Amino acid sequence: AQSVTQLDSHVSVSEGTPVLLRCNYSSSYSPSLFWYVQHPNKGLQLLLKYTSAATLVKGINGFEAEFKKSETSFHLTKPSAHMSDAAEYFCVVSHTMGNNRKLIWGLGTSLAVNP
Amino acid sequence: EPEVTQTPSHQVTQMGQEVILRCVPISNHLYFYWYRQILGQKVEFLVSFYNNEISEKSEIFDDQFSVERPDGSNFTLKIRSTKLEDSAMYFCASSPGQAFSTDTQYFGPGTRLTVL
Repeated sequence: AQSVTQLDSHVSVSEGTPVLLRCNYSSSYSPSLFWYVQHPNKGLQLLLKYTSAATLVKGINGFEAEFKKSETSFHLTKPSAHMSDAAEYFCVVSHTMGNNRKLIWGLGTSLAVNP
Repeated sequence: EPEVTQTPSHQVTQMGQEVILRCVPISNHLYFYWYRQILGQKVEFLVSFYNNEISEKSEIFDDQFSVERPDGSNFTLKIRSTKLEDSAMYFCASSPGQAFSTDTQYFGPGTRLTVL
């Protein structure tokens, strides 16, 4: 069975400092992994995805994530936080079998950015 | 840029009433989904829909739930007799239907359902 664990429910950083949001996954085969972001009162927006190509994936707004199979991790990073990055971040694994495709979600990490 | 839209943004209903949540997926997408998020809990998969039929559904998606694509553009989720525990944010998503490994689901803004 596939699952996702986000190791921190809340992360607080100062503007201009690096961001690290941690995610570990469990999958019986090579997974597709995603990070989605949800700003207050907005929908779920795709930040980036890993689909067995390059292990370092670059996304929107300066975010990137590195797939590490040996550590079963897919941590999200950004070198310098901006106030507009404050949001809820979800690590997601895709379960695909034939025409059956569903996303399995982590609990989310709430990122606060302090001035 | 095309996006998934959902209406209404917030629905309040009495227990036992029927509700219909509406979604307009991105045109030319082939797969459609409903997810829900109960406050403080994970986003949960409810159902996927392809080629005018349900392709997969979760344990949550019991006989009280149904989905329909009535007119080639809308995708609806109906709850026949709402319960208090149905209160949640409901998200619709669609995906193009490319090769499995690259297919990305695009989400709407959600409908917040409150059952009193």
